Amino acid sequence: GQNIDQPTEMTATEGAIVQINCTYQTSGFNGLFWYQQHAGEAPTFLSYNVLDGLEEKGRFSSFLSRSKGYSYLLLKELQMKDSASYLCAVRVASGGSYIPTFGRGTSLIVHP
Amino acid sequence: DSGVTQTPKHLITATGQRVTLRCSPRSGDLSVYWYQQSLDQGLQFLIQYYNGEERAKGNILERFSAQQFPDLHSELNLSSLELGDSALYFCASSLRDRSTDTQYFGPGTRLTVL
Repeated sequence: GQNIDQPTEMTATEGAIVQINCTYQTSGFNGLFWYQQHAGEAPTFLSYNVLDGLEEKGRFSSFLSRSKGYSYLLLKELQMKDSASYLCAVRVASGGSYIPTFGRGTSLIVHP
Repeated sequence: DSGVTQTPKHLITATGQRVTLRCSPRSGDLSVYWYQQSLDQGLQFLIQYYNGEERAKGNILERFSAQQFPDLHSELNLSSLELGDSALYFCASSLRDRSTDTQYFGPGTRLTVL
C-alpha cells in the first residue's frame, strides 16, 4: 500500500515563511500534488511535481525528491487567510489508471 | 468556484437507509472522482469514472456504488447506511485521465447518518 506522512499541525506568524514536509512510501509513483483546504470547504489545487526540483508559483513553492520520497510546500509572506489544512497527495499508476492517495493533512495556524 | 457542482449540500438520514449523491463535472471534463472525508480517516479515494466507464477503484465498500451517465454527470449510491458513513463526500473532475491532470473539487455533500 501507500504511506504518506505529514505533520499534524504547525503554527507560524503572519509575514513569516513556513515549510510543510511530506514523506511517502509508494510504488508506481506518478506525481505529487499539494492542496489547500479551509475548514468545511473543498480542497483547492496548489501545485504539482513529477520531476525532482522546485516549482515556484507566487508565494507558494513545492519541492520534490523522488529518490528520498520527500516533498515540501513552502509558503512565504504568510497571511492570515493561509490558515488552512494542507494536503499532500501522491498519484500512483495502477492498472492503466492513476490512484490518488492523500495524507491526513497539516493544519496550519497563522497568528498575528 | 471550481465549476463542479454537487447536490444536495446536506443530507440527514437514518441507519439502514439508501441515499444518492449527485455530481456534475466542469464543462468539458471527462473524468469524475469520488472521495470520502471523515475526521478519523482523512480524504479517501473511492472510485473514478472516465467517459462513462469505471477506471479505478479505491477504498469503496460493497454497499456503495457509482455510475457516470452519458451527459457525464455522476451519482454515488450509498445503501444500508451505518453511523460510520457520516462524512463529507466530495466529487472532483479532471479533463482526461492523465497523471498530470489537475482535479477540481466540488463543494461536497455532508452526510449525517443518525
